[in-house]
Amino acid sequence: GAVVSQHPSWVICKSGTSVKIECRSLDFQATTMFWYRQFPKQSLMLMATSNEGSKATYEQGVEKDKFLINHASLTLSTLTVTSAHPEDSSFYICSASRDRANEQFFGPGTRLTVL
Amino acid sequence: AQTVTQSQPEMSVQEAETVTLSCTYDTSESDYYLFWYKQPPSRQMILVIRQEAYKQQNATENRFSVNFQKAAKSFSLKISDSQLGDAAMYFCAYRSWEDDKIIFGKGTRLHILP
Repeated sequence: GAVVSQHPSWVICKSGTSVKIECRSLDFQATTMFWYRQFPKQSLMLMATSNEGSKATYEQGVEKDKFLINHASLTLSTLTVTSAHPEDSSFYICSASRDRANEQFFGPGTRLTVL
Repeated sequence: AQTVTQSQPEMSVQEAETVTLSCTYDTSESDYYLFWYKQPPSRQMILVIRQEAYKQQNATENRFSVNFQKAAKSFSLKISDSQLGDAAMYFCAYRSWEDDKIIFGKGTRLHILP
């Protein structure tokens, strides 16, 4: 149990286009979902925290108009990178948590390449 | 603000030997969680072991065990009988009791020598 999926696993897009990444908790209801960004050979950097039905809370320095997060249901959160540029190329990872007493379960990640 | 420090960017260990990865953290809180995550080449984050700060007993999961020193704010991971499949990036992480956010260290890349 406690499986989190991401789609797509990789995406290549042209500069200026928008890309949507989905994060789903497959066998549990996630009260909270998290979005991380990971640059090559670096650690995970938390971008934002989202709770179902409410606005996401963004970390300092993360542009909320560029990285749109929608937590539409207890099993789905989406990250939309708007007007993507090459510097947005990165590995994006989501995680989901049932509640505070439980661990976060991580998705397999999405590699975004912006040409 | 809480911080997590992993001072060993890379380590190597011979297969079947034991290796210890270091982690220190800084916090003013008394209740919190500590984790070790493994990230293999697939980049899927895998929880290795978890420790609640209120528990004095060190957590153990098969070949993986921790040495949790709360007063020293130290949380090292010991891997016994190292296997080739243990080769990965290992992240030490902190989570506040009150907050869902996880703070990760910079990671230690572990190489297993056959």
